Amino acid sequence: KAGVTQTPRYLIKTRGQQVTLSCSPISGHRSVSWYQQTPGQGLQFLFEYFSETQRNKGNFPGRFSGRQFSNSRSEMNVSTLELGDSALYLCASSKTGTGGGEQFFGPGTRLTVL
Amino acid sequence: GENVEQHPSTLSVQEGDSAVIKCTYSDSASNYFPWYKQELGKRPQLIIDIRSNVGEKKDQRIAVTLNKTAKHFSLHITETQPEDSAVYFCAATLNRDDKIIFGKGTRLHILP
Repeated sequence: KAGVTQTPRYLIKTRGQQVTLSCSPISGHRSVSWYQQTPGQGLQFLFEYFSETQRNKGNFPGRFSGRQFSNSRSEMNVSTLELGDSALYLCASSKTGTGGGEQFFGPGTRLTVL
Repeated sequence: GENVEQHPSTLSVQEGDSAVIKCTYSDSASNYFPWYKQELGKRPQLIIDIRSNVGEKKDQRIAVTLNKTAKHFSLHITETQPEDSAVYFCAATLNRDDKIIFGKGTRLHILP
């Protein structure tokens, strides 16, 4: 069974631009969660989608948004990029959700904002 | 709001010794507590998890204990090996559809 994939793997953007990241979950998984990973803050939960609906979200500004398609693939968008948005963005998929059991992480997208 | 605190941030142990990482959570209704291991340059992977109706769970050299009254849970690794060197994250979540809160991680170094 193929694992979680994310594209692109690396991105370099400048302040004020916007970016879209993509995540393809494991086949059969309906939940996709997104995380921001930075050296100082560890793993911070952004939001979770289940069957095309956002079920919950973390404490991030509205510049961070996402969506999920009918095939469970998910995208995350960050608008008006700031230097502090530089991070590794991980997505994870699972059958039932963040509290239901194991989440399978993708390799991440490394975003650098200049 | 919900919070998970993890200690220590860095831990060095001699190969063969035991390592203990501790986490505390703020929401007493939390009921699922996974631990993830992230090796350098790799993605996090679940190593063990525990639910609130269980006090202890063991899988070979790894065990997790949960004290609901004190709202803390711990990861125990016995007979540590070089491949145990990694960053370990604890987490807590309320329900299967609730947001998950991670600790800030513990970098474990296994010394030869």
